[in-house]
Amino acid sequence: QLVLTQSPSASASLGASVKLTCTLSSGHSSYAIAWHQQQPEKGPRYLMKLNNDGSHSKGDGIPDRFSGSSSGAERYLTISSLQSEDEADYYCQTWGTGGVVFGGGTKLTVL
Amino acid sequence: EVQLVQSGGGLVQPGGSLRLSCVVSGFTVSSNNMRWVRQAPGKGLEWVSVIYSGGSTYYADSVKGRFTISRDNSKNTLYLQMNSLRAEDTAVYYCARDSQTNGLVDYWGQGTLVTVSS
Repeated sequence: QLVLTQSPSASASLGASVKLTCTLSSGHSSYAIAWHQQQPEKGPRYLMKLNNDGSHSKGDGIPDRFSGSSSGAERYLTISSLQSEDEADYYCQTWGTGGVVFGGGTKLTVL
Repeated sequence: EVQLVQSGGGLVQPGGSLRLSCVVSGFTVSSNNMRWVRQAPGKGLEWVSVIYSGGSTYYADSVKGRFTISRDNSKNTLYLQMNSLRAEDTAVYYCARDSQTNGLVDYWGQGTLVTVSS
């Protein structure tokens, strides 16, 4: 079964960097994913598509501070030079023959 | 510029009906797969339904037989007809567009709240 696992929470200081993780279930380590950001009281916003080789393509207007990387079944979202507006929920999402799947989301707190 | 603008939603009693709309611009509603995704209060994202560019439709088991997804190409609009609503359908509903990679969501609507309560 295709499942995405995310840590429920993360925190980092203003101006620092943070790396969020999304783990694909066994047997699905070759899958690409998407990262989405949801700021408080707002709808989700597409950040990027991340392939299993670490290559990624970002959505319109996404700052260079956002980048992606991959290792095995893990997909990472790195945010550098953290700003207050980066405090949000981050969801990974993938797709397969059974449809689309979302991770449970990681709530990022900027200290 | 791609935009998805939603309307509809509101408070409805259990067993009632509601129709959500999503007017798209910057692309043709029939050129991409279009989805509805919902988010219950304090919860994560849950896929609800999809209409493929070719017209096929699919539903999550939780809404199958009660919800109907459709589109009007002349109005460039996506719809979700929700019947026999239950308390557990209470959520913010988002319309979303797949990119040319089927299943990869690349644009979202602003969301609309549906509250099912007596």
